[in-house]
Amino acid sequence: DAKTTQPTSMDCAEGRAANLPCNHSTISGNEYVYWYRQIHSQGPQYIIHGLKNNETNEMASLIITEDRKSSTLILPHATLRDTAVYYCIVNRPPNSGYALNFGKGTSLLVTP
Amino acid sequence: GAVVSQHPSWVICKSGTSVKIECRSLDFQATTMFWYRQFPKQSLMLMATSNEGSKATYEQGVEKDKFLINHASLTLSTLTVTSAHPEDSSFYICSAPPTSTDTQYFGPGTRLTVL
Repeated sequence: DAKTTQPTSMDCAEGRAANLPCNHSTISGNEYVYWYRQIHSQGPQYIIHGLKNNETNEMASLIITEDRKSSTLILPHATLRDTAVYYCIVNRPPNSGYALNFGKGTSLLVTP
Repeated sequence: GAVVSQHPSWVICKSGTSVKIECRSLDFQATTMFWYRQFPKQSLMLMATSNEGSKATYEQGVEKDKFLINHASLTLSTLTVTSAHPEDSSFYICSAPPTSTDTQYFGPGTRLTVL
């Protein structure tokens, strides 16, 4: 599976958009981009995923570059409860038997 | 999204005892479930892939005789930590991918402390 590179940590002011970047230059054609987050002492929470088109749901937007070598997760209006570790993962679909492999992620701190 | 539960949420046991952790998919069936563990300030590490009706597949370095996995039904997988030792203290998390989606959902985790 392709590996990802994320900043170790980021800060964001409450109410502002949080833009979390991820590089995945070795992504394969059949690999998706997944974003999860983990709040302290909880299981990871699914946020969003995509193959090549930009995606949006009630939690976030995912922008994937045309060459698919990088992506950005956007939390449009960050709140204090968005403070968590955010993981960008590139993977073949888990329902085909491929477990998601987690890197170190980005620790996002949302400040008042 | 789909719901995955784990039981217990936390457990404290004495060294040498065995502990069973249950993982259930509440609103979908899962032919495959995954077990992870997470040590403090580290990321999740995949331990094994649990397959309904067949033997689990373990990652390199994970002892299959110590971490027994049973996936007896399409909604339940269990992880038994046998003869637990303090170094087995960790946060154990299961996950399951609904066959109808491209992603997987995680349980809330089980905190195991071995004294």
